[in-house]
Amino acid sequence: EVQLVESGGGLVQPGRSLRLSCAASGFTFEDSAMHWVRQAPGKGLEWVSGIRWNSGNMGYAGSVKGRFTISRDNAKNSLYLQMNSLSADDTAFYYCAKSSTSSWGGGLDYWGQGTLVTVSS
Amino acid sequence: SYELTQPPSVSVSPGQTASITCSGDKLGDKYACWYQQKPGQSPVLVIYQGTKRPSGIPERFSGSNSGNTATLTISGTQAMDEAGYYCQAWDSSTVVFGGGTKLTVL
Repeated sequence: EVQLVESGGGLVQPGRSLRLSCAASGFTFEDSAMHWVRQAPGKGLEWVSGIRWNSGNMGYAGSVKGRFTISRDNAKNSLYLQMNSLSADDTAFYYCAKSSTSSWGGGLDYWGQGTLVTVSS
Repeated sequence: SYELTQPPSVSVSPGQTASITCSGDKLGDKYACWYQQKPGQSPVLVIYQGTKRPSGIPERFSGSNSGNTATLTISGTQAMDEAGYYCQAWDSSTVVFGGGTKLTVL
């Protein structure tokens, strides 16, 4: 059974940093591209970032480019999101999602339960 | 930047067919996906590559994609299908989601 478990969310002050983690199991992690998708409370889905199977290419939404960094450790079956210079606009549930392919172009076929990031003073 | 447009809401009677559209420039040239999200739950992929259903997704869910419009069709809609639905496509190396459609079954 595929499982994606996010952690690291919480309350953080504006301008500070936070690192999210996603522990994957139940599939061959290194065979899949991985993504972070966020959803502000009561709002729609917003893609944040994606990373190919071998970390050879990463993509970012314009709203986070230069502030967020995605990474993965295939040996640990883990995905990460380093978030810097956080603002209230970054408040959202952050989902880890598995791609159906190792590269770009696939659907997101499994999702974690999400972790809530709240940016507030 | 690439945009996908969905109607905010669609209503359907139980047992009838619901159609949810997603519009984007030359969307038919891309692979469209659809996700279902119920309140308090994570999204679930229901259609990928425009027309394919993942295992475990009921046959009443189908998709089409041509021109500038992708369509999610739910035949014989059931109360359990009431949810938010999001279309998604790729634009170069970025993922784009539509704004979402609230499907009400009444």
